[in-house]
Amino acid sequence: DGGITQSPKYLFRKEGQNVTLSCEQNLNHDAMYWYRQDPGQGLRLIYYSQIVNDFQKGDIAEGYSVSREKKESFPLTVTSAQKNPTAFYLCASRPTRDSLYREQFFGPGTRLTVL
Amino acid sequence: KNQVEQSPQSLIILEGKNCTLQCNYTVSPFSNLRWYKQDTGRGPVSLTIMTFSENTKSNGRYTATLDADTKQSSLHITASQLSDSASYICVVSASGNTPLVFGKGTRLSVIA
Repeated sequence: DGGITQSPKYLFRKEGQNVTLSCEQNLNHDAMYWYRQDPGQGLRLIYYSQIVNDFQKGDIAEGYSVSREKKESFPLTVTSAQKNPTAFYLCASRPTRDSLYREQFFGPGTRLTVL
Repeated sequence: KNQVEQSPQSLIILEGKNCTLQCNYTVSPFSNLRWYKQDTGRGPVSLTIMTFSENTKSNGRYTATLDADTKQSSLHITASQLSDSASYICVVSASGNTPLVFGKGTRLSVIA
């Protein structure tokens, strides 16, 4: 069963704590992305990675960190420095080669709530 | 600056009626444009994708059009169903491996 999985679906965190959101894909895609979605807002790019062991900041990287040690995995850590972390987080992946359209596929999302 | 604007922000229609959602973009150099459907609390799912040379693409009751000269796209939904209630997001890709540019979406509610 191919696709992108995110876990957990719902996550609660106390203020001041770091938390890591998981994203795994078995589509053999090179590029992976993390987005944040707030009510009434479009998706905003946090971080992205085109290849293993390399990643770039997106538009709203402050307070977040990522790693890309394996092609299949791109975990996102929401640190205590992120001032307003409550949001819906979406992970996505897409091929960067051998595909005319290079469609981006999304995971089911993780809803993070800071208490 | 690369931008994607969608209208209307929200729309309510009766079941069985048609509707059209609009997308204007200023992304350059243009590569392709996608429409995604996002159900509440779920990840977006691709409906259609069009490149510069394509004016129309259909997927069942969904028909997307693209006018690359005026940089406008529309998504037409025919004979709406309650399950069409969702957010519809227009996404434009520039050439190369640059990040996608997302619109804020149109929230469609289909009521009985």
